[in-house]
Amino acid sequence: GDSVTQMEGPVTLSEEAFLTINCTYTATGYPSLFWYVQYPGEGLQLLLKATKADDKGSNKGFEATYRKETTSFHLEKGSVQVSDSAVYFCALSDRPMLGGSYIPTFGRGTSLIVHP
Amino acid sequence: DTEVTQTPKHLVMGMTNKKSLKCEQHMGHRAMYWYKQKAKKPPELMFVYSYEKLSINESVPSRFSPECPNSSLLNLHLHALQPEDSALYLCASSQDPVQVLGGALTDTQYFGPGTRLTVL
Repeated sequence: GDSVTQMEGPVTLSEEAFLTINCTYTATGYPSLFWYVQYPGEGLQLLLKATKADDKGSNKGFEATYRKETTSFHLEKGSVQVSDSAVYFCALSDRPMLGGSYIPTFGRGTSLIVHP
Repeated sequence: DTEVTQTPKHLVMGMTNKKSLKCEQHMGHRAMYWYKQKAKKPPELMFVYSYEKLSINESVPSRFSPECPNSSLLNLHLHALQPEDSALYLCASSQDPVQVLGGALTDTQYFGPGTRLTVL
């Protein structure tokens, strides 16, 4: 079945440091890939997505490129801020039944802690 | 408007109580989902509704009873819960694949803020 593997956290960085959170996936079809962010005490927010190979999703300074050859979707940001401290979930979306709803598969989540 | 709302924000209940969680969206989405999320874990899928019909039940105990009274509302009725059911309950919605040609465009889920449930 489908699966998503994320690097284990927490990732601890100083403000303005470069961020990479690794994500690799296994899927039988051609899923869409997502990054969601969850701030403390809140629900999940869609951060960015990519629907096909070589697509780059970007939002709020975060980027991720859909790499089919390495089955990866690594999240990057050039300069993190304290306000980026949150849990980041990598996910893929596939449709187990033809004509059925898309069901996401989530990674375990990676906690990011940014210090001033 | 890409908002999914959930009420209440927090809920504390005893094991003999009956309560309900509510979820609402006005994006015209016809797929709605309930998830359970324990601390430091990813969301676990519980139920999926497609066009107001239950399409997926991930072997959830019967003390959780979902209901979709119309295309904008999703309820989760709770009865005789256990302390281990304490968690964040998340609702999400998305377009159903049949709503839009070219299914890949329809697979984005929008999540609500969740209900923090504590069972005593």
